[in-house]
Amino acid sequence: GAVVSQHPSWVICKSGTSVKIECRSLDFQATTMFWYRQFPKQSLMLMATSNEGSKATYEQGVEKDKFLINHASLTLSTLTVTSAHPEDSSFYICSARVQADTQYFGPGTRLTVL
Amino acid sequence: SQQGEEDPQALSIQEGENATMNCSYKTSINNLQWYRQNSGRGLVHLILIRSNEREKHSGRLRVTLDTSKKSSSLLITASRAADTASYFCATDGGYSTLTFGKGTMLLVSP
Repeated sequence: GAVVSQHPSWVICKSGTSVKIECRSLDFQATTMFWYRQFPKQSLMLMATSNEGSKATYEQGVEKDKFLINHASLTLSTLTVTSAHPEDSSFYICSARVQADTQYFGPGTRLTVL
Repeated sequence: SQQGEEDPQALSIQEGENATMNCSYKTSINNLQWYRQNSGRGLVHLILIRSNEREKHSGRLRVTLDTSKKSSSLLITASRAADTASYFCATDGGYSTLTFGKGTMLLVSP
């Protein structure tokens, strides 16, 4: 089956630093990937849709200058949290679309900002 | 925006019992999907039901969809301790972006 990986699985950083999270489709190519964030015991909130070779589409209320998304290849999308603050601490999950209505999810990255 | 609303928020049952979770949504959909998430892990796709389908089965899972009531249910039969997880419904409005509900935390005790 389709496998999506994320790296790192967890990261702790100081306030004000930037953190990059990678999302890779291991055995398939994905023209579209999605980034979600999930607070403890809450649901997933779609942050942005990442399209290979073009700019990401951000959901309302998500700061595009704070959450930089790059989808430079068909197997890799990156999310960079710039100038991270404690309120950015969350579980970030990516997914990759295989078919029109099928997404495969990565294992998630837990970000803790001190 | 959150569209799906699951109930109950939490469900605790014994092994062997059936677990039923419900999901309601507000706008028209192309399909509805159910996912499982173990604590602190990613999501596992369980089943997809299209708007023109009313019922679907996969192993011990049974999903129903009532588009007139904008609701869906997930039934897990003969539950096992390994079924302990959070379960989310997600709606696809036709643009292939998913809107997730708040989830149901299921605890299956041995």
